[in-house]
Amino acid sequence: QKEVEQNSGPLSVPEGAIASLNCTYSDRGSQSFFWYRQYSGKSPELIMFIYSNGDKEDGRFTAQLNKASQYVSLLIRDSQPSDSATYLCAVEGYKLSFGAGTTVTVRA
Amino acid sequence: SQTIHQWPATLVQPVGSPLSLECTVEGTSNPNLYWYRQAAGRGLQLLFYSVGIGQISSEVPQNLSASRPQDRQFILSSKKLLLSDSGFYLCAWSVSVRGGRPDTQYFGPGTRLTVL
Repeated sequence: QKEVEQNSGPLSVPEGAIASLNCTYSDRGSQSFFWYRQYSGKSPELIMFIYSNGDKEDGRFTAQLNKASQYVSLLIRDSQPSDSATYLCAVEGYKLSFGAGTTVTVRA
Repeated sequence: SQTIHQWPATLVQPVGSPLSLECTVEGTSNPNLYWYRQAAGRGLQLLFYSVGIGQISSEVPQNLSASRPQDRQFILSSKKLLLSDSGFYLCAWSVSVRGGRPDTQYFGPGTRLTVL
């Protein structure tokens, strides 16, 4: 079982819609969770982190964490073409473990 | 503000040649430093991390090595490159924060290495 699993996609959403990205992890002791955005050919950039159960909102982005279910998600509201990228979920245990990423395409 | 630099941006090397990639961080002291590799279409693989000068931990046994000669300098090396060493090499930094906050990692621009 992989440490961090994400749907590879691609996830295609129309402009203005909500994009929903999911991530599950295997280490029940994980404490911190991160979402990174990676444009094609570029390095990952941090969108947000979450470490408490529940929702955390930052602009159009909402991270949701459920430690009991070992599940973290990212919602992108009012999706824009500039949101088209690969989104990486990262989980901190003794090291930061990354999922393979979900590619999102926002259709104009 | 903190800035992280990597060079070169792209590199094409023949099999069996040596490698040296450099990463430097500005605007912070005693950062934790990391080297990752991202193969095409795959996730990030942690190669090495360092919590201080001369302190290197290796995550994956391979023909690569890392060194940290200065507080804000991290170098990735190889004596003889393999075809499988091709990929996108990313340096990252973080600063350990107490009080329950996560140790957030920030990435440099990366070096794209092609071994032919």
